[in-house]
Amino acid sequence: ELKVEQNPLFLSMQEGKNYTIYCNYSTTSDRLYWYRQDPGKSLESLFVLLSNGAVKQEGRLMASLDTKARLSTLHITAAVHDLSATYFCAVDILSGSRLTFGEGTQLTVNP
Amino acid sequence: DTAVSQTPKYLVTQMGNDKSIKCEQNLGHDTMYWYKQDSKKFLKIMFSYNNKELIINETVPNRFSPKSPDKAHLNLHINSLELGDSAVYFCASSQDVVLSSYNEQFFGPGTRLTVL
Repeated sequence: ELKVEQNPLFLSMQEGKNYTIYCNYSTTSDRLYWYRQDPGKSLESLFVLLSNGAVKQEGRLMASLDTKARLSTLHITAAVHDLSATYFCAVDILSGSRLTFGEGTQLTVNP
Repeated sequence: DTAVSQTPKYLVTQMGNDKSIKCEQNLGHDTMYWYKQDSKKFLKIMFSYNNKELIINETVPNRFSPKSPDKAHLNLHINSLELGDSAVYFCASSQDVVLSSYNEQFFGPGTRLTVL
């Protein structure tokens, strides 16, 4: 059974600081997705990573994928309050359409 | 021009009742899903349909029955509601998972179900 674990689950940081969220998964896959969820809202797709070494950046967020280590990272640069949200990674196995989600990382950026 | 829409947004009901949640997508996608998000925000897939055919059916009580009248719609009917059914239910859609090289899913706004 595929397991997806995120670390940390809760992250409180100050504006202007950098931090990284980690996503580990247990089974071979080269397709990883990052989503953002604001409180009471839907999930918004942030990044789709489709190969080993893939790196994507959007604003202050950068996601990377290391399929050999079964690890993806979401790096936050110079955090701002607007980035406060819950971030989920999700993995799908080549053979199916099922997305398995991590537990989510609740990020709070304090002024 | 909402991509994935759900109705209702909120649903408050008594134990034992039967209720339905509707989902529609206008993205031209072939695959649709239902997820349950519990109070700890954990997301778990319940069902998936590809071109109106059921392809994923997780271990979900048979009180839950999905129905896909066409590939743009996937409804969820719940019989004999229980307290533990209280959660947020999300509908999602993606391109045909057989033909597409990846499975980026687009989510609806969610339906918050509260069973009293």
